[in-house]
Amino acid sequence: GNSVTQMEGPVTLSEEAFLTINCTYTATGYPSLFWYVQYPGEGLQLLLKATKADDKGSNKGFEATYRKETTSFHLEKGSVQVSDSAVYFCALRGSNDYKLSFGAGTTVTVRA
Amino acid sequence: EAQVTQNPRYLITVTGKKLTVTCSQNMNHEYMSWYRQDPGLGLRQIYYSMNVEVTDKGDVPEGYKVSRKEKRNFPLILESPSPNQTSLYFCASSSLAGGKWNEQFFGPGTRLTVL
Repeated sequence: GNSVTQMEGPVTLSEEAFLTINCTYTATGYPSLFWYVQYPGEGLQLLLKATKADDKGSNKGFEATYRKETTSFHLEKGSVQVSDSAVYFCALRGSNDYKLSFGAGTTVTVRA
Repeated sequence: EAQVTQNPRYLITVTGKKLTVTCSQNMNHEYMSWYRQDPGLGLRQIYYSMNVEVTDKGDVPEGYKVSRKEKRNFPLILESPSPNQTSLYFCASSSLAGGKWNEQFFGPGTRLTVL
């Protein structure tokens, strides 16, 4: 079945530092890949997505590239802010599928 | 405003006392789903519904029931809650367009504690 593995946290950074959260997946066919963000006390929000190989999703300074050869979708941001403190989830949805499979989540804390 | 709402947001109850968590969406979405979020496990799907009167089990359905009598509502029922159902619960919805499923919208979450 489909599965997602993302790096364990927690991750603590200083403002303006570079952030990378690794995400790899196992799936058949051509899944769609997502990053969701959960701010404290809130539900999940879609941060970015990519639906085919070599697509780059981007939003709010975050980027992730769908790499089929390495089955990866790593999340990056060049200069984080305190407001980026949140839990980040990598997820995939199989081809022609409705179901989302989530990674365990990575808690990121950015200090001023 | 397009949204998914859940009630209550917080609930503390005791073992065996039946409870219902409501979920409602105003986007006319066909698909609705319930997840539970536990530390280190991410989100796991409990039940989902593809449309009115169509429901099916997710990955962790034991101890839960759902119903879908109307398109906008998808309540989660715990007939006899147990402490291992203490968790953070999320409802989500999604639509189908052009044969493809769109992004899932999530509610704000319900934090349930079973004593």
